[in-house]
Amino acid sequence: EPEVTQTPSHQVTQMGQEVILRCVPISNHLYFYWYRQILGQKVEFLVSFYNNEISEKSEIFDDQFSVERPDGSNFTLKIRSTKLEDSAMYFCASSLGLAGSHEQYFGPGTRLTVT
Amino acid sequence: DQQVKQNSPSLSVQEGRISILNCDYTNSMFDYFLWYKKYPAEGPTFLISISSIKDKNEDGRFTVFLNKSAKHLSLHIVPSQPGDSAVYFCAASAKETSGSRLTFGEGTQLTVNP
Repeated sequence: EPEVTQTPSHQVTQMGQEVILRCVPISNHLYFYWYRQILGQKVEFLVSFYNNEISEKSEIFDDQFSVERPDGSNFTLKIRSTKLEDSAMYFCASSLGLAGSHEQYFGPGTRLTVT
Repeated sequence: DQQVKQNSPSLSVQEGRISILNCDYTNSMFDYFLWYKKYPAEGPTFLISISSIKDKNEDGRFTVFLNKSAKHLSLHIVPSQPGDSAVYFCAASAKETSGSRLTFGEGTQLTVNP
């Protein structure tokens, strides 16, 4: 069964460094997303991406965040200058994009630890 | 942000019995609701969904009920199995078209005892 994959599973970085989290969405899906879950808190939406551009973003997704689909399979989240409060699980998700279909399929996550 | 709320942080049931997980929402614009299951160190796994034009959707042991007037939905698992032990998240979407953000509840830890 097709699944969303994410690398790395765990990333440790120092405050102020740039990190890139990588995702391979399900191949025939058209919408891609990033969510995060800070320890003990809810899963929060960051950004959605469709047709090579951002379709929606949350207030969390400020100028230090960017997303890119560098080729036909990868979808990346870049954090330019990490802060301690960026420590969280980051989940990538994808969806088919068919009318009436809202199901999003999530990857296993990347645990980001900023020290 | 309390738009989707799961008031019970945990639920414990005996194997074979029914598990009922509850979820409330406040945003009237939500028109599609989903339940996800999450094991430790894994991402959320889609379980079942329901559109606001329906009041019930069933898939095997899982049934979701939607009460729009009360802004309440519930997930029933019958019969419950030990492998169902996980955190269950309720999520909601506010657009008719695909691709919109999901707003999640806090999650309920379900433990099914053998």
